Amino acid sequence: GAGVSQSPSNKVTEKGKDVELRCDPISGHTALYWYRQSLGQGLEFLIYFQGNSAPDKSGLPSDRFSAERTGGSVSTLTIQRTQQEDSAVYLCASSFRGNYGYTFGSGTRLTVV
Amino acid sequence: AQTVTQSQPEMSVQEAETVTLSCTYDTSESDYYLFWYKQPPSRQMILVIRQEAYKQQNATENRFSVNFQKAAKSFSLKISDSQLGDAAMYFCAYRNSGNTPLVFGKGTRLSVIA
Repeated sequence: GAGVSQSPSNKVTEKGKDVELRCDPISGHTALYWYRQSLGQGLEFLIYFQGNSAPDKSGLPSDRFSAERTGGSVSTLTIQRTQQEDSAVYLCASSFRGNYGYTFGSGTRLTVV
Repeated sequence: AQTVTQSQPEMSVQEAETVTLSCTYDTSESDYYLFWYKQPPSRQMILVIRQEAYKQQNATENRFSVNFQKAAKSFSLKISDSQLGDAAMYFCAYRNSGNTPLVFGKGTRLSVIA
């Protein structure tokens, strides 16, 4: 597609429920990144994919967080048993070559109530 | 680990004036890239400007320019002729060569006063 697409745009969920966040990168972009942005904070790295493999999962905050990417394209970030501290904007970005910077999606705002 | 520091949580500038946003970083690498991103209220992160560490010449994109001081590990952003549409959060970011993740600073909120 023309840009990085994320869905849903906003998600309100009850504490303890599982949620899935989707990212559809720019066609041909081999690298895909997930970041979390808490209110008024910078961007916290979560995980990145090169193709379908994830060389760096170091940013995932707990084992409740997981992500996968299929077909070198769409990625899903899953948060199990959501907690209130998971409330944040989850941003996805893709790149063809990292030295040219990323193209970001508009993010998913997750609110856990 | 690399770190990026933006020491100005908030800045303001009069319309048509010039403002400089500060950024310092810490790395032991010699080959890396630096970026400034703009995040308006829409949440969309927009690449403003990039700089390759091996280039001594400072990058320029229209009204946006950087002052890259490699020895001092400083990478400031200058916005000339500020416009109301420049109001946003600005993030400084660093990455090593290759597809390693960007490391971001905490951001500077820029207000533009009419």
